[in-house]
Amino acid sequence: QKEVEQDPGPLSVPEGAIVSLNCTYSNSAFQYFMWYRQYSRKGPELLMYTYSSGNKEDGRFTAQVDKSSKYISLFIRDSQPSDSATYLCAMSEDQGAQKLVFGQGTRLTINP
Amino acid sequence: DSGVTQTPKHLITATGQRVTLRCSPRSGDLSVYWYQQSLDQGLQFLIQYYNGEERAKGNILERFSAQQFPDLHSELNLSSLELGDSALYFCASSGRPSSGNTIYFGEGSWLTVV
Repeated sequence: QKEVEQDPGPLSVPEGAIVSLNCTYSNSAFQYFMWYRQYSRKGPELLMYTYSSGNKEDGRFTAQVDKSSKYISLFIRDSQPSDSATYLCAMSEDQGAQKLVFGQGTRLTINP
Repeated sequence: DSGVTQTPKHLITATGQRVTLRCSPRSGDLSVYWYQQSLDQGLQFLIQYYNGEERAKGNILERFSAQQFPDLHSELNLSSLELGDSALYFCASSGRPSSGNTIYFGEGSWLTVV
């Protein structure tokens, strides 16, 4: 069993829809949770960063962490075609070591 | 543009060969990370260097080695290459630990082993 599980999709939704992306994990020592966006053949770019449980909002993006359930989510409101990309969740135990464990990534397509 | 520079962008080589991937971190970043991304394994942490010293090690094969030089650029050396080593290799960098977990990735080096 992988430390981080993420549905690879693909996920296809119409423009303007609310998108929900999720990851589950097994390592209770994870404290730092991130979402990265990766366009085809490009490097991942950080979208959201959250420490411990709770919600964080940044524009159309909301990240949620539920450590009791070992479950994290990313919500995208008013989705745009430019949001079409692969979304990867990532987690780490220690801020100093910064060894990130990534999910497989969910490929998302927003249809105009 | 993340500010992390990787060369070469694409590389095709034969099995058994050795290649070197190079990375220049963002200006001022002391940490350099190497990740491997393949279709079956996803994005996997290989190794981290901080200011020239190895800081953390992940799933890095013994055939692979890395180093960080005094000017903070880093190299990943891959030897005795196998078909299964074909992947996208990312370098990433970050600042001092006190500045948080923001890691910036380069564009990657595509390695194809034939």
